Amino acid sequence: DAGVTQSPTHLIKTRGQQVTLRCSPKSGHDTVSWYQQALGQGPQFIFQYYEEEERQRGNFPDRFSGHQYPNYSSELNVNALLLGDSALYLCASSSVDRGGNQPQHFGDGTRLSIL
Amino acid sequence: AQSVTQPDIHITVSEGASLELRCNYSYGATPYLFWYVQSPGQGLQLLLKYFSGDTLVQGIKGFEAEFKRSQSSFNLRKPSVHWSDAAEYFCAVGNSGAGSYQLTFGKGTKLSVIP
Repeated sequence: DAGVTQSPTHLIKTRGQQVTLRCSPKSGHDTVSWYQQALGQGPQFIFQYYEEEERQRGNFPDRFSGHQYPNYSSELNVNALLLGDSALYLCASSSVDRGGNQPQHFGDGTRLSIL
Repeated sequence: AQSVTQPDIHITVSEGASLELRCNYSYGATPYLFWYVQSPGQGLQLLLKYFSGDTLVQGIKGFEAEFKRSQSSFNLRKPSVHWSDAAEYFCAVGNSGAGSYQLTFGKGTKLSVIP
């Protein structure tokens, strides 16, 4: 049973560029959440997708956008990259349809470095 | 708004000694509470979770945590630490009551184990 998978593992971009990160949820999960983890910090919630719609959003600018596909996989897009966007981006999946009290399972993340 | 405080940035214990990692949360209702562990360069692994019911929760790898509403705490404990437990530990609170929830994390406690 595959867990949450994220690609790519590492990515290097320059300021002003755009990036797309990808996530495949754990089998049986329908909800995907994205988190940003800066060095030495705890993860911060970016947004959550369920039924192909953004359901909840954290305190991130609209340079951060996402998408969820019918197969529940998800993308995180970041435009006009800033040096401060350098971080580990974590995807977590869970199942809403099984009830609200289901834990979120995390992937290993994408390490994004901005030069 | 929900928040989590992990007062200890770094803890060092000897192998075989007992461990307690502190976590205090702020949330208006009964929260969802979690402990995750992160090894360097890796994603987050769920150790244990509390949604409702018994306030003493058992997790993987011999960890347990106790929800104390009166103290707004959810401390993590282990009776005998192994060298492989060295990692960073994150406490998180979820906004209960919704079909899905977002996690708010503390800043983490780094655990070092002396052989």
